Amino acid sequence: GAVVSQHPSRVICKSGTSVKIECRSLDFQATTMFWYRQFPKKSLMLMATSNEGSKATYEQGVEKDKFLINHASLTLSTLTVTSAHPEDSSFYICSARSYRGSSEKLFFGSGTQLSVL
Amino acid sequence: SQKIEQNSEALNIQEGKTATLTCNYTNYSPAYLQWYRQDPGRGPVFLLLIRENEKEKRKERLKVTFDTTLKQSLFHITASQPADSATYLCALDAGGTSYGKLTFGQGTILTVHP
Repeated sequence: GAVVSQHPSRVICKSGTSVKIECRSLDFQATTMFWYRQFPKKSLMLMATSNEGSKATYEQGVEKDKFLINHASLTLSTLTVTSAHPEDSSFYICSARSYRGSSEKLFFGSGTQLSVL
Repeated sequence: SQKIEQNSEALNIQEGKTATLTCNYTNYSPAYLQWYRQDPGRGPVFLLLIRENEKEKRKERLKVTFDTTLKQSLFHITASQPADSATYLCALDAGGTSYGKLTFGQGTILTVHP
């Protein structure tokens, strides 16, 4: 079945550094990917929609200069948390849309736990 | 504004019983409603999708109902097992060009006791 690979699964960094998270669709092309964040015991909140070859669309309240999204190919989207601070510590999850036959499917990555010291 | 609520934060049941989880929403007309399972430290895993014009969907021990008049979905796990213990999330999807852009409920933590 279709798989979305997200890397790294866990990252610890110092305050002020930037962290890049990768989301890859392994056996399908994903023109659209989504990025979510999840705080402990809270639900997933959509951050942005990543479209291949164009700028990402950010949800209200999400700083686009803080969370840089690049979707340079049909199988890879990256989220870069710039100048990370402790309040950016969270679980980040991507998902990818796949069109197969007459229906669309949605697949999630396994998530990245970011801890900013 | 859109609001989606899952009726309880936690649900504890005995093995073999049927678990019933509720998802209610307001100010939304979803094309699809989806249910996911999430284990600690992991991404959500898709379980079932039900369309706005469908009343019920089944998959093995899982059953989902969708009432667009009540704006409610019920998710049932029959013959529950301890391995079913996890957080279950419902999610709304407007469909069309926005397909995949999900609004999630806060989740229900299900614990199935042996």
